Amino acid sequence: GENVEQHPSTLSVQEGDSAVIKCTYSDSASNYFPWYKQELGKRPQLIIDIRSNVGEKKDQRIAVTLNKTAKHFSLHITETQPEDSAVYFCAASPTGTASKLTFGTGTRLQVTL
Amino acid sequence: DAGVIQSPRHEVTEMGQEVTLRCKPISGHNSLFWYRQTMMRGLELLIYFNNNVPIDDSGMPEDRFSAKMPNASFSTLKIQPSEPRDSAVYFCASSLQAGDNEQFFGPGTRLTVL
Repeated sequence: GENVEQHPSTLSVQEGDSAVIKCTYSDSASNYFPWYKQELGKRPQLIIDIRSNVGEKKDQRIAVTLNKTAKHFSLHITETQPEDSAVYFCAASPTGTASKLTFGTGTRLQVTL
Repeated sequence: DAGVIQSPRHEVTEMGQEVTLRCKPISGHNSLFWYRQTMMRGLELLIYFNNNVPIDDSGMPEDRFSAKMPNASFSTLKIQPSEPRDSAVYFCASSLQAGDNEQFFGPGTRLTVL
């Protein structure tokens, strides 16, 4: 089955700096890669996703890149703000109505003033 | 739509008692997922359903855990008997289909087994 590894487990950045979180996956059949954000005491929520036919996707201060050859994908947050502080999870899934998401172990991002 | 609804939001019970967690997915969604989240093990998929049919229950930790989805708008996760190590936050999520579709999470049930 799929195995997703995520690094780092914790990340502290100063407000205004960039943050990068990296994930690797094992199953070459995976072609859907979402990122979820979970604030303290809240539910995980999708912030951005990318599919294997695209190498990069941006949404305002958030971008995700995908390298299918190397089987890794990354989340980039620019101009970080205190409200970006949360746990971020990457995930991977093959296409197909019977397939499931496999989540990484999460990265706790702390944005300091 | 109110989103995914879970009940109860908090449950405190004693070891050996039966616990039933409930979930109402978003109307029109065909896939439903049960996750468990702890500090030690992160976010674990326990079981998921497609069109009310269990597809993969390989994440269910033991026979003490069981899940049902009698219809498209309701699912239960039951633990019998409960143990202290079952203490965790249990999330239910739903999506249009399994696979490459956004999953919408419910607010979770925080379970404490004393």
